[in-house]
Amino acid sequence: GAGVSQTPSNKVTEKGKYVELRCDPISGHTALYWYRQSLGQGPEFLIYFQGTGAADDSGLPNDRFFAVRPEGSVSTLKIQRTERGDSAVYLCASSLTFSGGSTDTQYFGPGTRLTVL
Amino acid sequence: DAKTTQPNSMESNEEEPVHLPCNHSTISGTDYIHWYRQLPSQGPEYVIHGLTSNVNNRMASLAIAEDRKSSTLILHRATLRDAAVYYCILRDATGANSKLTFGKGITLSVRP
Repeated sequence: GAGVSQTPSNKVTEKGKYVELRCDPISGHTALYWYRQSLGQGPEFLIYFQGTGAADDSGLPNDRFFAVRPEGSVSTLKIQRTERGDSAVYLCASSLTFSGGSTDTQYFGPGTRLTVL
Repeated sequence: DAKTTQPNSMESNEEEPVHLPCNHSTISGTDYIHWYRQLPSQGPEYVIHGLTSNVNNRMASLAIAEDRKSSTLILHRATLRDAAVYYCILRDATGANSKLTFGKGITLSVRP
């Protein structure tokens, strides 16, 4: 079956612009995660949705970052007034359910590479 | 979150076994040990996880020390496709924290 897909695969923008990054999770997966990965580092957690609601947004770096998942499926990560430091690969993952943290395998998409000039 | 410590890198020869170590001396009784790997230009993928007993699946084996303060991911016959960054991650089985907390991982290189 289809895995997690993310669009666009690459996004180049100018400092100060607004960007939206889209994630299509695996069908039927109720949990959705966003991570950010800088060069040479492991992925860093941003936000987690269970259904339509954000269950944990403690990783969002500041209020320029916002994410939505209005129908409990597709999610959009929105970044306002982009800065050069926002350049990174943004990864999305989904899992079947929130089963207690031990076995809910997360399936990752290929990521969106964001470059802020 | 309890932390894990891994070497920065390791080299292996193709078709030989590989043992990737991970230290987690502050592991709690409710922490599962998970391994994910990230191939070049791809998102991470799940490899294996365990709690106390050693685990085997089609991808790898996980050997867990009796005191649970360390573990080893074992690839029985490395292939060129196994060249990746391997992350050892602790996850709270109580579900109090669903996110994955990645370190820098260990970069595995496989020589033909």
